[in-house]
This record gives sequence, C-alpha cells and structure tokens, in this order.
Amino acid sequence: SAVISQKPSRDICQRGTSLTIQCQVDSQVTMMFWYRQQPGQSLTLIATANQGSEATYESGFVIDKFPISRPNLTFSTLTVSNMSPEDSSIYLCSVEQGNEQFFGPGTRLTVL
Amino acid sequence: GQQLNQSPQSMFIQEGEDVSMNCTSSSIFNTWLWYKQDPGEGPVLLIALYKAGELTSNGRLTAQFGITRKDSFLNISASIPSDVGIYFCAGRRGYKYIFGTGTRLKVLA
Repeated sequence: SAVISQKPSRDICQRGTSLTIQCQVDSQVTMMFWYRQQPGQSLTLIATANQGSEATYESGFVIDKFPISRPNLTFSTLTVSNMSPEDSSIYLCSVEQGNEQFFGPGTRLTVL
Repeated sequence: GQQLNQSPQSMFIQEGEDVSMNCTSSSIFNTWLWYKQDPGEGPVLLIALYKAGELTSNGRLTAQFGITRKDSFLNISASIPSDVGIYFCAGRRGYKYIFGTGTRLKVLA
C-alpha cells in the first residue's frame, strides 16, 4: 500500500489567516483526495485532485476557500483560506490504489 | 453530503468478547471498505470487499458484503484492548468513497 505523509501534523492558527497542508505519496497515483473530519465526526470529502486538471469540489466546498494544487503524481497541497474557528478539524489526504483507498496521518488544525 | 449509517454508534465490551457492527445505505455500492482510526491518526484499511455476498477475514476480523449491496457487516472475535478505536465503513460509488458515521469501540480489560 502507498505510504502517505502530511505536513504539518498539527497547527494552531489565528482567525483570518491561511494554512497550506502538504501531502506526499511514495508512489505515483492518479487520484488524490482531500477530506475533512470535524471533531467527533466522520470523514467528508472536500475535493478530488487529478494531476494536470482543476480539482473537483464536493457540494459545500469551494475553490476560493480550499484551493488545491496537484503539480505532479506524488504531491498535492490543500490551502484553508481566511480561517475561522469553524475550520478547526482534521484534514486528511488519501490516494486510491487498486480499488482501495489509503490515508495519510492527517493534519490537526485549530483556529483561534 | 451523504453518509452511511453505522450501528451501534458506540459500544463497551469486555476483553475476549466478540463484536459485531454494521453499515447500511439506501443505495447500492460496488465496493465496501472497513477502516479503524486510532486517536490522532488517519484511518487504516482493515478489509476490502468487492462482490455481493463476499465474506473476507483478516486475522480476528471478518467482514461481509451484503447480498443487497446496500449493507456490510464487520465482526471482531475475541476482542483485545488494542481493538479500541473508531471503526468506519466506506462504500464506493464511481471514483468516490462515502463514509459511515462510525462505531466507537471501547474494550474493558
């Protein structure tokens, strides 16, 4: 299975600022996914990122708030823009390999 | 967004007991995945199911893909303290995975 790392592992940010989360995979993958997991909740898909094309966002998520980059087949970034306390969550990237989905360790974000 | 319903929502069991949990949906899926998430970590894939009726084991874990393709079940036999965590099901539709609401398991030694 793919080995996925994320940076930072956690951060505490001030309201109104932005944070960019990095996701690195140890092998080339076509599709990468970004999820949000609010405290005590399940995982909600934010967007799907394919290399060389615009990310596809799920209902309730917009590019201005969560811009995504996918410069190559092993790397992606998610930016959480103009943060508010409601953005406090765990952000997870994942990849698909062979009809199975594997997750990174997550980035725990707290917005004050 | 849509979520799958998991039950029970949480459970306390004694070490050594068997555990059963399920995941249901109003629509069909062509793949079911079961994950375990420990505090502060990402979900870890436990079992993947690809065909209706399929029964697959991974050590003390056994999962089944429901015949109707609208549900799946996970059993853990002879639970141990390290089984504690949150278990999520996920159903695949197209290229997306939809996650269940989670079952929080606590094991009493």
